[in-house]
Amino acid sequence: ETGVTQSPTHLIKTRGQQVTLRCSSQSGHNTVSWYQQALGQGPQFIFQYYREEENGRGNFPPRFSGLQFPNYSSELNVNALELDDSALYLCASSLTGGLGYTFGSGTRLTVV
Amino acid sequence: QKEVEQDPGPLSVPEGAIVSLNCTYSNSAFQYFMWYRQYSRKGPELLMYTYSSGNKEDGRFTAQVDKSSKYISLFIRDSQPSDSATYLCAMMSSSNTGKLIFGQGTTLQVKP
Repeated sequence: ETGVTQSPTHLIKTRGQQVTLRCSSQSGHNTVSWYQQALGQGPQFIFQYYREEENGRGNFPPRFSGLQFPNYSSELNVNALELDDSALYLCASSLTGGLGYTFGSGTRLTVV
Repeated sequence: QKEVEQDPGPLSVPEGAIVSLNCTYSNSAFQYFMWYRQYSRKGPELLMYTYSSGNKEDGRFTAQVDKSSKYISLFIRDSQPSDSATYLCAMMSSSNTGKLIFGQGTTLQVKP
């Protein structure tokens, strides 16, 4: 399978709930990054995982956490959801040291 | 002040026009400069990347980087209606690979 796939495509959650978003990396890619894209804005870096370890983090609180699995798939977990967490969440995979970041189509999260 | 500034537009041009898209930045550590295209309801797609200063051409697209002015540009020749999308500039320092810093994105509409 080629490309980056994300699930689900859309999600509606209530403030205070927890959510898990999933990403399947492009075949052969060992690094995964997560981004948050608010409406009308560019994506903002949340964190990056390499070999199941977080190796870079943006300006996001600890309630944003992640996992990377041995098959390089990944999860983004957000606890205690706030209204401002409503956004498109993008996963991008790459080979370490490469610039060819391949993005998925994202998960649209709405917090009500 | 944002690290990367990009005029959100919208920019509307007739088919066949030359389009110029621009970004300015403040962080002199940025070494890698990229342009992504994002269609509605899709993830960003890498168009071109450039290392340090200079020009790079790929078909109808030309990317320019002027590090002395902290200014990057993307030119689209013979624009087509299929070029209608949001164009995002992104930058990265060599010490922080994986963390892309995006501009806000410019929405382009090419009218037939």
